[in-house]
Amino acid sequence: NAGVTQTPKFRVLKTGQSMTLLCAQDMNHEYMYWYRQDPGMGLRLIHYSVGEGTTAKGEVPDGYNVSRLKKQNFLLGLESAAPSQTSVYFCASSSPGTGAYEQYFGPGTRLTVT
Amino acid sequence: SQQGEEDPQALSIQEGENATMNCSYKTSINNLQWYRQNSGRGLVHLILIRSNEREKHSGRLRVTLDTSKKSSSLLITASRAADTASYFCAYGVSGGYQKVTFGIGTKLQVIP
Repeated sequence: NAGVTQTPKFRVLKTGQSMTLLCAQDMNHEYMYWYRQDPGMGLRLIHYSVGEGTTAKGEVPDGYNVSRLKKQNFLLGLESAAPSQTSVYFCASSSPGTGAYEQYFGPGTRLTVT
Repeated sequence: SQQGEEDPQALSIQEGENATMNCSYKTSINNLQWYRQNSGRGLVHLILIRSNEREKHSGRLRVTLDTSKKSSSLLITASRAADTASYFCAYGVSGGYQKVTFGIGTKLQVIP
């Protein structure tokens, strides 16, 4: 099992450019999440999904969109990147089946917006 | 913000010593978890304690939870250089989904 994978690992964007971050999990988890991590701020939830075809806003959703067309994939889009979106982005997944609440994280995507 | 807070934000100890990290939160919780993050990596789940539990052990880890004080502590005994990492608490509230709120983390350095 690969667990949770993220593509790409690194990316540099110019202000105004767009991009999509891809998250894939092979654990058949229902729930998936996108977080951003900034120094001194911990992890903040951007968007999450409780199942295929459903998405919801988290704590810091502005400037991002998401889609969950397939259960195993969760895409995070930046339509017009801004320097404030420079961050490390983590995807995570979890399963309600065991009730354990444990989240499994991907390795992260380091994004720089110049 | 409902974000949890860890204390201290940074901790440096010698190998073999114990490390204690604290977490405070502001709301009623269903469970509290601790995660470890090695530099440049994703987070790894360490241990979960439910709101009706007071203490839990896993190997060299001991977690306590005091819901009256809205606080938790993580104790790592007999620390090793490999324990050098950032440690985050995360708590879940009752709801229809497993959304958790992460604290800002404690950066632990274990000196060989």
